Amino acid sequence: KQEVTQIPAALSVPEGENLVLNCSFTDSAIYNLQWFRQDPGKGLTSLLLIQSSQREQTSGRLNASLDKSSGRSTLYIAASQPGDSATYLCAVSPLPSGAGSYQLTFGKGTKLSVIP
Amino acid sequence: DTEVTQTPKHLVMGMTNKKSLKCEQHMGHRAMYWYKQKAKKPPELMFVYSYEKLSINESVPSRFSPECPNSSLLNLHLHALQPEDSALYLCASSPSPGDSNQPQHFGDGTRLSIL
Repeated sequence: KQEVTQIPAALSVPEGENLVLNCSFTDSAIYNLQWFRQDPGKGLTSLLLIQSSQREQTSGRLNASLDKSSGRSTLYIAASQPGDSATYLCAVSPLPSGAGSYQLTFGKGTKLSVIP
Repeated sequence: DTEVTQTPKHLVMGMTNKKSLKCEQHMGHRAMYWYKQKAKKPPELMFVYSYEKLSINESVPSRFSPECPNSSLLNLHLHALQPEDSALYLCASSPSPGDSNQPQHFGDGTRLSIL
């Protein structure tokens, strides 16, 4: 059974710092990995999706990397801002196998606080 | 603004009540999902609809009854819920059931409290 772990559970940084969030997964047979952002009491916003054949994806100040063989992904946030404060979740999608391809396995998230 | 709209945003109900949660999207997506999220926990998949047909039921108790009347709407009918069912219920959609390389789009959820 796939397990996804995110470290640290919480992180507090001063504004302007670069930071890295970590995600690890136990089964390397994944189809893709996604990073989501969740603000308190809100739904999830997809930030980046990395397909299993890719090594990284970038969007603005965000860069996500994937090392499938070692079961790891990182989310790099450059020049952090108070508006980046949220919980960041990573989720993996298994290889397509009919209905099973829909299911995302989530980590518990990293709660990020960026202090002005 | 989210492209997946969920109503109501908040719902308080007694254990004997019957209520429904509603989810709507107009992006032409053909896969729709219900998730349950407890505080400080990740979302847990409940149901998946593919082309308006139920394709996954993750062993959810029968007091939760999903319905997909058309390609834009997804309902979750609630009856005789228990206090432990209090949670944030999230709806999501994705373009094609056969392509999990398309990210899921989430609504802001319904915060459900069972008295």
